[in-house]
Amino acid sequence: EVQLVQSGAEVKKPGESLKISCKGSGYSFTSYWIGWVRQMPGKGLEWMGIIYPGDSDTRYSPSFQGQVTISADKSISTAYLQWSSLKASDTAMYYCARQDYYDSSGYSLWWGQGTLVTVSS
Amino acid sequence: SSELTQDPAVSVALGQTVRITCQGDSLRSYYASWYQQKPGQAPVLVIYGKNNRPSGIPDRFSGSSSGNTASLTITGAQAEDEADYYCNSRDSSGNPWVFGGGTKLTVL
Repeated sequence: EVQLVQSGAEVKKPGESLKISCKGSGYSFTSYWIGWVRQMPGKGLEWMGIIYPGDSDTRYSPSFQGQVTISADKSISTAYLQWSSLKASDTAMYYCARQDYYDSSGYSLWWGQGTLVTVSS
Repeated sequence: SSELTQDPAVSVALGQTVRITCQGDSLRSYYASWYQQKPGQAPVLVIYGKNNRPSGIPDRFSGSSSGNTASLTITGAQAEDEADYYCNSRDSSGNPWVFGGGTKLTVL
């Protein structure tokens, strides 16, 4: 069975760095795009970026370009989302999701359980 | 345009049929996928492609598309269908960035 298991909740201060993870299992990790979705409190879903672990091809939504870094370690089937300097506005739930394709249209059947990031002084 | 527009809120009487719509230019080129999200839970895929339901999704959920509009229809809405629903599609570069703002469905 496909599973995406995310790292636990984090509480950080503004200016601190952070790296959260998403470990895939039950499928060929290097053969599927995997990405990150932000959900701010009480708000909707926003794709942040995606990575293809097979060759590390990484793409960012224009809204998040330069704000975060997405990476993957295929040796341990894990994708990462990191910040170099957190802001209070980064407080949100973050989900990883595998991207599948049907007739060139994408969809995400498999999602991680979410990682809550709280940034507060 | 790289945006998808959804009605913020829709209500339906128990057992009746409700249609949730999603409008955007990208839907002329790509199918929408639809996600159900209940409070405190991760999104769940309910419809993808032309009209495909993942295993375990009741057949009262169906999808359709015409022009720049995609629709999610729930035929015989149940109390457990009360949730937020989001549509998603690809932008002109093929990236999955385009999410609708979500529709809050209330089952009366």
